[in-house]
Amino acid sequence: KAGVTQTPRYLIKTRGQQVTLSCSPISGHRSVSWYQQTPGQGLQFLFEYFSETQRNKGNFPGRFSGRQFSNSRSEMNVSTLELGDSALYLCASSQRFMNTEAFFGQGTRLTVV
Amino acid sequence: AQKVTQAQTEISVVEKEDVTLDCVYETRDTTYYLFWYKQPPSGELVFLIRRNSFDEQNEISGRYSWNFQKSTSSFNFTITASQVVDSAVYFCALSGRDRDDKIIFGKGTRLHILP
Repeated sequence: KAGVTQTPRYLIKTRGQQVTLSCSPISGHRSVSWYQQTPGQGLQFLFEYFSETQRNKGNFPGRFSGRQFSNSRSEMNVSTLELGDSALYLCASSQRFMNTEAFFGQGTRLTVV
Repeated sequence: AQKVTQAQTEISVVEKEDVTLDCVYETRDTTYYLFWYKQPPSGELVFLIRRNSFDEQNEISGRYSWNFQKSTSSFNFTITASQVVDSAVYFCALSGRDRDDKIIFGKGTRLHILP
């Protein structure tokens, strides 16, 4: 079956702009989580959605938001981009809970200039 | 607070050597889960193992083995007879037992297997 698909793979944006990233989980998976990966901070948890509800949230400013649709696809949005938002954004899906086996997408590489 | 420490930032070994990646964790929970993930150059994290805190048996899967020691709060990962394809970043992670507990990742160990 198809894996986790993230689009786009690469993105260049200017400071102050906003961006929307998309994640299609594995068919049948209802939990989708988002992570930010940077060389300095490593992998940091952004949020998790389950059945269209945000179930958990990391320590990120309100500029970072997300949502999940009825088909389990998820989007995350970052408004008023800052240079420090440059990172690899990874999406993971699991059948029910994130602390089981999770499957990750290849990520979206966001560069803010 | 939960924390995962991978003290080895980067390791290089010659192909066919054995290599052990260290992972030390901190948690106040009595029930928790430990994980290892592999991140190859393509970017996606690949699940390797999940271990329940009540199960201290060591696990072996092919060339991979894991040593879980509660007494030292460690969950180390050994690759036997390493291969170039094992080159990747390896992450150790920790989660509580509740279904809405998030996963805390270590900073990762970059492993280079030299031909």
